[in-house]
Order: sequence, then structure tokens, then C-alpha cells
Amino acid sequence: KAGVTQTPRYLIKTRGQQVTLSCSPISGHRSVSWYQQTPGQGLQFLFEYFSETQRNKGNFPGRFSGRQFSNSRSEMNVSTLELGDSALYLCASSLEGYSYGYTFGSGTRLTVV
Amino acid sequence: GNSVTQMEGPVTLSEEAFLTINCTYTATGYPSLFWYVQYPGEGLQLLLKATKADDKGSNKGFEATYRKETTSFHLEKGSVQVSDSAVYFCALRSSGGGADGLTFGKGTHLIIQP
Repeated sequence: KAGVTQTPRYLIKTRGQQVTLSCSPISGHRSVSWYQQTPGQGLQFLFEYFSETQRNKGNFPGRFSGRQFSNSRSEMNVSTLELGDSALYLCASSLEGYSYGYTFGSGTRLTVV
Repeated sequence: GNSVTQMEGPVTLSEEAFLTINCTYTATGYPSLFWYVQYPGEGLQLLLKATKADDKGSNKGFEATYRKETTSFHLEKGSVQVSDSAVYFCALRSSGGGADGLTFGKGTHLIIQP
């Protein structure tokens, strides 16, 4: 069974640019969530999608957005990149229901220069 | 809101020592509780979980018991190995529809010396 796949693994972007990250969940998982991991702030929740609908969003500026497609694949977009956006971005998928754990991808390492 | 507090470390132990990593939480309702492990350069792996009070999750020699009265979910292992060196995260998923994603603690860096 294929795991959660995130592409690309590494990205280097310049301040002011925008970036799109992609996530393919485990087959059958319709819940997809995104997290930002930094040494200072740890793991922070970005947003959660289920059946193409954003159900919740963490405390991040509007420059961070996402979407989910009908096949449950998800993308997140960050516009007008800032140096502080440098982080590991993790995608996770789950079956519906709070008793299920999430399966995480290996992440996309974004560096903003 | 939800929150998770855990000892940050680093925690340094000798091989075969007993391990405890403390985790306490604040949440409305009855969340599910998880321990995740992150090895260097990798994503997070689910280590174990518990979904209701007094449940014990276990995997690879690690155990944690959901204690509602003390709002705790401490991770234990009787005899650690060098290969257990990693960062461990305690997390909860709210029972409010599960739409909040996971709330994580800051992570505990565990170092096991031979």
C-alpha cells in the first residue's frame, strides 16, 4: 500500500515568489491536513480538508492557502514568500473520524532566500 | 483551545535504561491521543495511540496509558536501544469532528548512548 507522497522533496525560492506543494494521500483516505515544522515553533497546523472542503484552518496569514481535488489529492500554496516561511511542510492523511491517526508524508523542505 | 505539553529535552540515557517521557494535555471533550516519532531527515511515524480513558497503546516495546483524571499520556519503555534515538511527539485529535487536525507538543529529543 503506497504511503503519503509529497512533491517536491526540496525547494529553494526567492523572497516574493510563490510556491505550490503537492500531496497524494493514501488510497481511501479523504482527510488531508497540512503542517508547518520549524525549529522554533515546532509543528503547527495549517489546514484540514475533507471531500474537497476546507474544514479548519490554523493561525496563518492569508498567503497560505490550499485545496483538495476530487481524488483527495491536495495542494498548498504560499504566495509572496518571506524568509520566515522556510520550513518543512508535512502533509498527512487519515480515515474520517477522530479516533484515527494520521499517516504523514516525508515532507517538502522549503528554503526561502 | 487544545494544547499539549511535554518535556523537551534533550533526554540522554544509556542503552537498556528505563524511559519515561511525560505528556499532559488540555482539550474539550474526549480527544484521541497519539505518540509520533521522527527519525532524522524523515517524516513522522505513528508509534501508538489510545482513543478513550484507560486505554493502553503499545508498539515496539513502547507503552502509554490514557489517564483522563490526570489528563496525561506518558510514554514508557522498559529498555531502550540506540536505535530509539529520535524526536518523540505527543499529540491529540479533538473529538469535535476531528476537523482540527492534530495538536502537537514541542517534541522530546531522545539520545541513547551505547
